[in-house]
Amino acid sequence: DQQVKQNSPSLSVQEGRISILNCDYTNSMFDYFLWYKKYPAEGPTFLISISSIKDKNEDGRFTVFLNKSAKHLSLHIVPSQPGDSAVYFCAATNSGGYQKVTFGTGTKLQVIP
Amino acid sequence: DTEVTQTPKHLVMGMTNKKSLKCEQHMGHRAMYWYKQKAKKPPELMFVYSYEKLSINESVPSRFSPECPNSSLLNLHLHALQPEDSALYLCASSQASGPLRDTQYFGPGTRLTVL
Repeated sequence: DQQVKQNSPSLSVQEGRISILNCDYTNSMFDYFLWYKKYPAEGPTFLISISSIKDKNEDGRFTVFLNKSAKHLSLHIVPSQPGDSAVYFCAATNSGGYQKVTFGTGTKLQVIP
Repeated sequence: DTEVTQTPKHLVMGMTNKKSLKCEQHMGHRAMYWYKQKAKKPPELMFVYSYEKLSINESVPSRFSPECPNSSLLNLHLHALQPEDSALYLCASSQASGPLRDTQYFGPGTRLTVL
């Protein structure tokens, strides 16, 4: 049972445009969400997080939006850069077991120069 | 400094070998994690150590044996592995600061091949 889903396995975006990566979850107990970026042969790198008490969190070019009623979150990257090309994982956890992080299946983003 | 280091980067072992993976962090984090990641799949949690005590074991086979000698070090001892255990093994650490603010930081991983 995949509790965190990223339905788009891949996404291509022109440099300078906005990249929007989507994530859906089914477990209503999740209350903390994270995005990680992963290059081949490297470990995931933390990008940005959001708790369920917020609906938006911004950090530079990265913004995460959370829609709790729809159990949906998205990561916006503006403007997209070629160095952003990587696999992006959405992840979720809950207060009762916050150390147990559930990862989505990942979306491979390609930013075309 | 958000660095987690892992050694070795690559490991090839036979099914009868005994080997160990090592992970180290100097961020003062009190929780450390082992994950397994197969190609084109998300990382899967194996073990969590919190304040040097094993707090989570995700029903991992006994041929994987974790050890946390101190708050900065985490080992994964491997014995009698199967070819299907070939994967990228990731270590992570976090402050164990509690819910809604604890973020895990990952090392680069060890690419394990079992022949």
